[in-house]
Amino acid sequence: KNQVEQSPQSLIILEGKNCTLQCNYTVSPFSNLRWYKQDTGRGPVSLTIMTFSENTKSNGRYTATLDADTKQSSLHITASQLSDSASYICVVSASNMLTFGGGTRLMVKP
Amino acid sequence: DTGVSQNPRHKITKRGQNVTFRCDPISEHNRLYWYRQTLGQGPEFLTYFQNEAQLEKSRLLSDRFSAERPKGSFSTLEIQRTEQGDSAMYLCASRGPGGRDEQYFGPGTRLTVT
Repeated sequence: KNQVEQSPQSLIILEGKNCTLQCNYTVSPFSNLRWYKQDTGRGPVSLTIMTFSENTKSNGRYTATLDADTKQSSLHITASQLSDSASYICVVSASNMLTFGGGTRLMVKP
Repeated sequence: DTGVSQNPRHKITKRGQNVTFRCDPISEHNRLYWYRQTLGQGPEFLTYFQNEAQLEKSRLLSDRFSAERPKGSFSTLEIQRTEQGDSAMYLCASRGPGGRDEQYFGPGTRLTVT
């Protein structure tokens, strides 16, 4: 069964600090992995997308990594801002279908 | 706004009533997806259209759920005889032909069944 597991489930950090979110997956056949940001009550918005051959991708203060051998990905957020407070969802694509992780709820406090 | 739109944004209904949600995808996108998301969880796939054809349905889509996409443009998701367990956010996403199968999500419809 295709699965995507994320950790931690929730995280509280102070504004300006860095953090790293983790994603492990068992999805086959692998097509790509993406990270979404979802604000409360809104739809997910794509942050990064990586294929099998890409092991890092940046989008501003967001940097995603992918280790296709160990089937792990991480999302690193640098110099966090209050607006980073949201859920971050790891999504793995296989054969035109997406498998979603449960998300990490991040709260950035002043 | 050329993004995916969904209506209504919020719906409160009594148990046993029928509800219908609408999704308008990005205009040139031929693929459309419906997902359900409960609080604190990631979205779960419900069904997928390519143009007007419904190509895949999840086992989550019980007989009380039906989705249509007439003419391959907007789509509707109907839930009949709603139950409290149907309370969730219903998300629609669309995707264009080819590319890296990027799906663009709408803002969702939050359903509360009382």
